[in-house]
Amino acid sequence: QVQLQESGPGLVKPSETVSLTCTVSGGSISSSYWTWIRQPPGEALEWIGYVFYDGITNYRASLRSRVTMSVDTSNSQVSLKLTSVTAADTAVYYCARNKEGMNILDLWGRGALVTVSS
Amino acid sequence: DIVMTQSPDSLAVSLGERATINCKSSQNLFHRSNNKNFIAWYQRKPGQPPRLLISWASARESGVPDRFSGSGFGTDFALTISSLQAEDVAVYYCQQYYNTPHTFGRGTTLEIK
Repeated sequence: QVQLQESGPGLVKPSETVSLTCTVSGGSISSSYWTWIRQPPGEALEWIGYVFYDGITNYRASLRSRVTMSVDTSNSQVSLKLTSVTAADTAVYYCARNKEGMNILDLWGRGALVTVSS
Repeated sequence: DIVMTQSPDSLAVSLGERATINCKSSQNLFHRSNNKNFIAWYQRKPGQPPRLLISWASARESGVPDRFSGSGFGTDFALTISSLQAEDVAVYYCQQYYNTPHTFGRGTTLEIK
């Protein structure tokens, strides 16, 4: 069955750029929208945005100036890039699959912790 | 942004008893385009990623036990577990997908009494 696995650097310094990858295995990356969500320590889940393989994106307004999402169909990977990070970006980052083109998240990865610290 | 307010924050229920988690949205989630409520419920067990339980307020996902049910309309929704099992210990979240940003409740921790 389809599985998602996030990967990232773990620790990033303030003002740097963090890049996360979600590897999709067991299914087609081109058939779904893919969503990134994060959860800061002790906080609620926060929707970051979604991307389709053809480049269609929809980002959270408050992050729009710093976020880029893309799909690499050849490597079956979804990527998230977040620039100019601060401590407020410390969170577990999840990728998830959108069900049937809707914003219902029917499959999630286990998440990748990103800590922003000098 | 639509605010999703879950209650209670935590809940302890005896095995075999009913558990109900509530979620109130700050805006109406019913859309006349398809006569559905744009709300989903997720379960997250320790060490596991979230699992979709219910979408469209009451549509149970394939493989989800029928003791889980969703209800509600407009701004007030509930997730009910009719007979709590030990494996239901988890944090439960509601999420609206009526408009972006798609927002989540803060979660309800369900434990065994």
